[in-house]
Amino acid sequence: AQTVTQSQPEMSVQEAETVTLSCTYDTSESNYYLFWYKQPPSRQMILVIRQEAYKQQNATENRFSVNFQKAAKSFSLKISDSQLGDTAMYFCASMGDAGGTSYGKLTFGQGTILTVHP
Amino acid sequence: EAQVTQNPRYLITVTGKKLTVTCSQNMNHEYMSWYRQDPGLGLRQIYYSMNVEVTDKGDVPEGYKVSRKEKRNFPLILESPSPNQTSLYFCASSLNPGETQYFGPGTRLLVL
Repeated sequence: AQTVTQSQPEMSVQEAETVTLSCTYDTSESNYYLFWYKQPPSRQMILVIRQEAYKQQNATENRFSVNFQKAAKSFSLKISDSQLGDTAMYFCASMGDAGGTSYGKLTFGQGTILTVHP
Repeated sequence: EAQVTQNPRYLITVTGKKLTVTCSQNMNHEYMSWYRQDPGLGLRQIYYSMNVEVTDKGDVPEGYKVSRKEKRNFPLILESPSPNQTSLYFCASSLNPGETQYFGPGTRLLVL
């Protein structure tokens, strides 16, 4: 079984500043994937970043990076140089790797609403 | 254009009237999945499919059925909808389960 917890229901940040969204997870799998998805007001779900748990290096995608702390089961998302278009709900999610019991099962957190102010 | 399509986008129905929400992808993806989104609960997985004729339950399968007769299509069936199935539904697909999932635009369902 997997659980994903996002403890910040809402966050706000000024344009051009940096913000970090928190995510903790629990899994019995030895290998797994972690994701951050973004849902803007249009409701479209878009992948922000993906991390394979066996890789030590933190994933980055342009202004988006993660701080993956495997022992602490923490997977926070850092957004640098925040832009108005970053305003969205952000979801953290996990899935077990092939061979595990949760392969194919994607578990989401409750989401964090991020507002970027001009 | 690579995409996941869902129909209908909006649906109002009454309790007990069977309905089907269609989902189709044109990316030749093996994996497809259905989710429902409710305020404060995030997205919860209903059913997923690893390939044609292979489906499995997610976290909230009660009251739903699925089928995967063709690779591109993965319809969600509500045999006897109830008001607690009022929700926003998303279909998604990916090449393999651990890869990036591409989501459809969502179907907003209201069951009276």
